[in-house]
Amino acid sequence: GQQVMQIPQYQHVQEGEDFTTYCNSSTTLSNIQWYKQRPGGHPVFLIQLVKSGEVKKQKRLTFQFGEAKKNSSLHITATQTTDVGTYFCAVDTGRRALTFGSGTRLQVQP
Amino acid sequence: GAGVSQSPRYKVTKRGQDVALRCDPISGHVSLYWYRQALGQGPEFLTYFNYEAQQDKSGLPNDRFSAERPEGSISTLTIQRTEQRDSAMYRCASSLVGGRPSGNTIYFGEGSWLTVV
Repeated sequence: GQQVMQIPQYQHVQEGEDFTTYCNSSTTLSNIQWYKQRPGGHPVFLIQLVKSGEVKKQKRLTFQFGEAKKNSSLHITATQTTDVGTYFCAVDTGRRALTFGSGTRLQVQP
Repeated sequence: GAGVSQSPRYKVTKRGQDVALRCDPISGHVSLYWYRQALGQGPEFLTYFNYEAQQDKSGLPNDRFSAERPEGSISTLTIQRTEQRDSAMYRCASSLVGGRPSGNTIYFGEGSWLTVV
């Protein structure tokens, strides 16, 4: 079935460093969504990407959708302690509701 | 309400007992989803509804799990004869627009922590 792989599983950065998480699929995706889950919280929608090669920015966050629509990335510039949490990609498998990746847990050292 | 509301927030039950978890979605939201999330993992799809109709229940692990949304609003996820492996966070989510999730922002509730002892 549809699987999305997220890497890395965990990343620890110093405040001010950049961070990137990647989501990869073996099949072409119709779209991809990104969510953030703070420690002890629930997943919160960040953005959806639909078009091949699409790039969207939200302040220090940059989201990209690959040209082949099989991979996506989330890049955070100059991390802050408020960026701490787990970032999930989620895809529409066409059969079920959204399928989530296993997430990348980000820890930011002040 | 302002967000997706779930109850109970925490439930400890003995193995073999039945449990019912309740979800009250955002008012007016057509679709309602149930997910299960283990520690350190992403949400795992269980089932979803458009209005009162259960659209897909293929994610339910076995026939001890069932869900209903009789009036197209509040939903109940029931687990019969609970087992220790059922221990997890059960999350409900809803979205405004029905049909496929593409393009739909889904809003999660705070979840119900289930511990089976």
